[in-house]
Amino acid sequence: DSGVTQTPKHLITATGQRVTLRCSPRSGDLSVYWYQQSLDQGLQFLIQYYNGEERAKGNILERFSAQQFPDLHSELNLSSLELGDSALYFCASSVASGSLHEQFFGPGTRLTVL
Amino acid sequence: AQTVTQSQPEMSVQEAETVTLSCTYDTSESNYYLFWYKQPPSRQMILVIRQEAYKQQNATENRFSVNFQKAAKSFSLKISDSQLGDTAMYFCAFMGNNAGNMLTFGGGTRLMVKP
Repeated sequence: DSGVTQTPKHLITATGQRVTLRCSPRSGDLSVYWYQQSLDQGLQFLIQYYNGEERAKGNILERFSAQQFPDLHSELNLSSLELGDSALYFCASSVASGSLHEQFFGPGTRLTVL
Repeated sequence: AQTVTQSQPEMSVQEAETVTLSCTYDTSESNYYLFWYKQPPSRQMILVIRQEAYKQQNATENRFSVNFQKAAKSFSLKISDSQLGDTAMYFCAFMGNNAGNMLTFGGGTRLMVKP
């Protein structure tokens, strides 16, 4: 158990819908990362937040957005869903940003878009 | 931008034997970390081992060790005395010191340990 929690575990929805994935980092970790694992794109970085502020952006679609709240949990919002958005979405957390710290991964949320 | 390449999509090894998974990367940074993650059928991402680029000594964690060749930008993982529980996808990952320290992953190697 990494100490990072993600809910829900599974999500099945239809094209065009909007979903929210939630992540709670390890106690004391200020930095949250979101990754997407799909058959087409492999594992890729989406976005990072540090202590409530966006720190880095990767290959995140405009239909996707995220935020980190004062209690440090983070949410990833996916809208206008397409079949290709079906993937495993991981959240990871680390102590800090700006230096090389190990990232601890949550169990992931499996999103299926029908 | 960094790239990570794993040239072996699938490998198999007999139980108790040794296997080496390959990884190469490309970067212009001088200070960085390299990681091997294991993803078993449960899909959980589990850190196996990590290497700091400024350390010349190869990292070792029990049956897992790496061969880090900085000049060649190569970072292979050796698993000794393979066990059935080592069956999993293995991902090589790079973390630089720029732009937020995100991980850049290779495409993965599916390892099957056979009894």
